[in-house]
Amino acid sequence: AQKITQTQPGMFVQEKEAVTLDCTYDTSDPSYGLFWYKQPSSGEMIFLIYQGSYDQQNATEGRYSLNFQKARKSANLVISASQLGDSAMYFCAMREGGGAGSYQLTFGKGTKLSVIP
Amino acid sequence: DTGVSQDPRHKITKRGQNVTFRCDPISEHNRLYWYRQTLGQGPEFLTYFQNEAQLEKSRLLSDRFSAERPKGSFSTLEIQRTEQGDSAMYLCASSLSGQLYGYTFGSGTRLTVV
Repeated sequence: AQKITQTQPGMFVQEKEAVTLDCTYDTSDPSYGLFWYKQPSSGEMIFLIYQGSYDQQNATEGRYSLNFQKARKSANLVISASQLGDSAMYFCAMREGGGAGSYQLTFGKGTKLSVIP
Repeated sequence: DTGVSQDPRHKITKRGQNVTFRCDPISEHNRLYWYRQTLGQGPEFLTYFQNEAQLEKSRLLSDRFSAERPKGSFSTLEIQRTEQGDSAMYLCASSLSGQLYGYTFGSGTRLTVV
C-alpha cells in the first residue's frame, strides 16, 4: 500500500480564490510528521508547512493551512487567495517515528497546481 | 548561509560513463540526505549521513551508486556505468538532528543519460 496518496494529478484555480490539495497517508506508527512542499519548475523543493501527529491544532503558515483529520488519515493543504506564483507541483510527505532515527521522508506523486489569471 | 547548494545543476552524459554530483549543506546541519526524483514522481530516498557516517544506504538503487561525506561537510554522489534509467533529478537535503521539520532541499542536479 502506498504510504502517501495524492489523488489529484492536476488542479486549476482562479487567481485570488482558495484551493484545497488532497493528501491521505498510511502508517501504523503513532508518532509521525506530515509535510507539504512546493516544487516550481526550477526544481527546488520549498518547505511550506508541517503537522505533527500529536499537534492539537491545525498548522497554519501565512496563506497555507493544513486541514489535519487524524481519524481519516488525511492532511489536506489549503491555499487561500491564490497567486500566479503559486503555480507549481505540490508534494505531501510523511516522516514516521519521532526518535533520533527518524530521518526519511516518503513523498506522494504530487499535484500540479495551475493558477489562472 | 544561502542554503543547500548542488553542483552541477545539469549534467548530460553518455551511457556507460561515470558521473559525480556534489552537495554543500547548510553549514550547521549535521545530517545530509540524497533523494532521486524521476519524471512524474515524488522524490525517493536514497541514503543519509549523520556527520561523516553513512547511517543508511540500503536504499541506494544498485551497487553502481555510492555516496561519501568525508569530513562531515559536503557530500558527493557517484553513479558508475550510467544507464538511461538513471536519468532523473538528484536532490540533496540537510537538517539538524533533533529538529522535527528543519529539512532543507537544494535545487537538484538534473541528469540526462544519452
